[in-house]
Amino acid sequence: AQTVTQSQPEMSVQEAETVTLSCTYDTSENNYYLFWYKQPPSRQMILVIRQEAYKQQNATENRFSVNFQKAAKSFSLKISDSQLGDTAMYFCAFMNSGAGSYQLTFGKGTKLSVIP
Amino acid sequence: EAQVTQNPRYLITVTGKKLTVTCSQNMNHEYMSWYRQDPGLGLRQIYYSMNVEVTDKGDVPEGYKVSRKEKRNFPLILESPSPNQTSLYFCASSSPTAGGINGYTFGSGTRLTVV
Repeated sequence: AQTVTQSQPEMSVQEAETVTLSCTYDTSENNYYLFWYKQPPSRQMILVIRQEAYKQQNATENRFSVNFQKAAKSFSLKISDSQLGDTAMYFCAFMNSGAGSYQLTFGKGTKLSVIP
Repeated sequence: EAQVTQNPRYLITVTGKKLTVTCSQNMNHEYMSWYRQDPGLGLRQIYYSMNVEVTDKGDVPEGYKVSRKEKRNFPLILESPSPNQTSLYFCASSSPTAGGINGYTFGSGTRLTVV
């Protein structure tokens, strides 16, 4: 079974600064996807960014980028120019596409607070 | 608008009283799934479905039932709810595309309290 570990239960960052959230995972599979989801106080789950394991290039979505290290099984999220609206829980998630089941396994989350 | 609709958003019930949380998606997705979210534990999968009439257990299936009679609907049934099923529940759906999987689309969540 796959496991996803987020080692930082809580983090804070000053507005306009950059912050990196850590995520490691454990799998013996070669084909998989990795995701970061954001959950603001409204509790809606919002997809932030997605990475396919076979792609070496790190995914980027505006102010959000990842550092994907496949050999180290690491998938960190960098948020640049942090904004107050980035305050949320962030969940790292793993999906094994090779088995065809497309199940998502989540980490326990990191609570990010952006300070004015 | 493409979305996953869950109802109700909030529910307070008593121990042992059967309840159903409905989930419907309008994106023609094959995959649907139920998760529960508890503080400090993240989201854990309850059941998932690969297509109509195809369902399987996730990590925490005890005390829950599901059915997938139609592609768009995936209700979660608690036959005899207990207080340890007090949680925030999410339904989600997804489908493979030519570019792979884009991730799951989530409903707005159902806050269930069992007293």
